[in-house]
Amino acid sequence: EAQVTQNPRYLITVTGKKLTVTCSQNMNHEYMSWYRQDPGLGLRQIYYSMNVEVTDKGDVPEGYKVSRKEKRNFPLILESPSPNQTSLYFCASSLRPYTEQYFGPGTRLTVT
Amino acid sequence: KQEVTQIPAALSVPEGENLVLNCSFTDSAIYNLQWFRQDPGKGLTSLLLIQSSQREQTSGRLNASLDKSSGRSTLYIAASQPGDSATYLCAVRNDYKLSFGAGTTVTVRA
Repeated sequence: EAQVTQNPRYLITVTGKKLTVTCSQNMNHEYMSWYRQDPGLGLRQIYYSMNVEVTDKGDVPEGYKVSRKEKRNFPLILESPSPNQTSLYFCASSLRPYTEQYFGPGTRLTVT
Repeated sequence: KQEVTQIPAALSVPEGENLVLNCSFTDSAIYNLQWFRQDPGKGLTSLLLIQSSQREQTSGRLNASLDKSSGRSTLYIAASQPGDSATYLCAVRNDYKLSFGAGTTVTVRA
């Protein structure tokens, strides 16, 4: 089944403890991206990747890192999480940047 | 910077009524516009993708129109059903970035 998977789905952590949220797609898509969704603010793009080893900042990249070492994987790294990063995170992929986007199920992160 | 607005924020209709959801955007230099559905606690499901060169796109009971010059798109859902209850999001593509509206939450009453 063609899909975008994220792990973990739920995570509660403490301020400053490094964490990684994984994202994987099995559709051989070139373009992948990360978003966060907050009440009243909608979805905002954090980072995107055009292909392996090619990443760029979205609208809200502060406090996040990404890497794209393999085409199928695009992990999101929070090296020192803070409470303002408590949010619902989505990974998405598409064949090309301008084609239909497919979203993962989301990761709900709480930083205390 | 692209700003995307969806009005109304919430909508409640009786079953069978047609739904009209609006999306407006400030920068008309878009590549495409995509409508999504989001159920509570779930991810986003793509409904329709309209390229900038298209005026409308249809899928079953759904029809989306695009007026790029005026910065507007409308999603029509015919003969609404309780299963259509969800939040509907529009997203606009400029360059390599996708900008989302805050969504319209729809409740269809049986």
